[in-house]
Amino acid sequence: EVQLVESGGGLVQPGGSLRLSCEASGFTFSSFGMNWVRQAPGKGLEWISHISGSGSPIFYADSVRGRFTISRDNAKNSLYLQMSSLRAEDTAVYYCVRGVVDYWGQGALVNVSS
Amino acid sequence: QAGLTQPPSVSKGLRQTATISCTGNRDNVGNQGAAWLQQRQGHPPRLLAYRDNNRPSGSSERFSASRSGNTASLTITGLQSEDEANYYCSAWDSNLSAWVFGGGTKLTVL
Repeated sequence: EVQLVESGGGLVQPGGSLRLSCEASGFTFSSFGMNWVRQAPGKGLEWISHISGSGSPIFYADSVRGRFTISRDNAKNSLYLQMSSLRAEDTAVYYCVRGVVDYWGQGALVNVSS
Repeated sequence: QAGLTQPPSVSKGLRQTATISCTGNRDNVGNQGAAWLQQRQGHPPRLLAYRDNNRPSGSSERFSASRSGNTASLTITGLQSEDEANYYCSAWDSNLSAWVFGGGTKLTVL
């Protein structure tokens, strides 16, 4: 059974940093590209980053490019999102999503507030 | 990044058929088709169909997807109360090198 479990969410002040992790199981992690998708409270889905199975290429949405960094450790079956210079508008549930958006984690809430 | 266009809401009666449209362009929907996601209140999205009408295991046959040019559609037959949810379409955009999403359609079953 495919499972994606996010961790690392929480409350952070504007301008601060946070690192999200996603632990994957139930499939050959290195064979799949992975994504981070977020959903602001009461809003729709917004894709923010993709990383291929090998770690390259990497793509970002304009809204986070230069502030967020996606990475992965295939030996640990883990996906990461390093977020810096956080803004109030980054407040959202962040989902770890496999490949062609076929499997989603439960999400991690990031709240950027003073 | 520009998104896909969906109607904000659709309302249909119990046991009726609902259809939700999703319009993109030749770089996304017109290129590789769309994925359709269902999101019930308080839950993460789950995949219903991908690349037009491929259904993952566990996805009901009441959900079917199709595509004509740059517009994809999701048809739900025999509507049940449990089908009340938000539905999103998504596609990889080969020009933007990004996943793009529709704004979501809230389905109400009367």
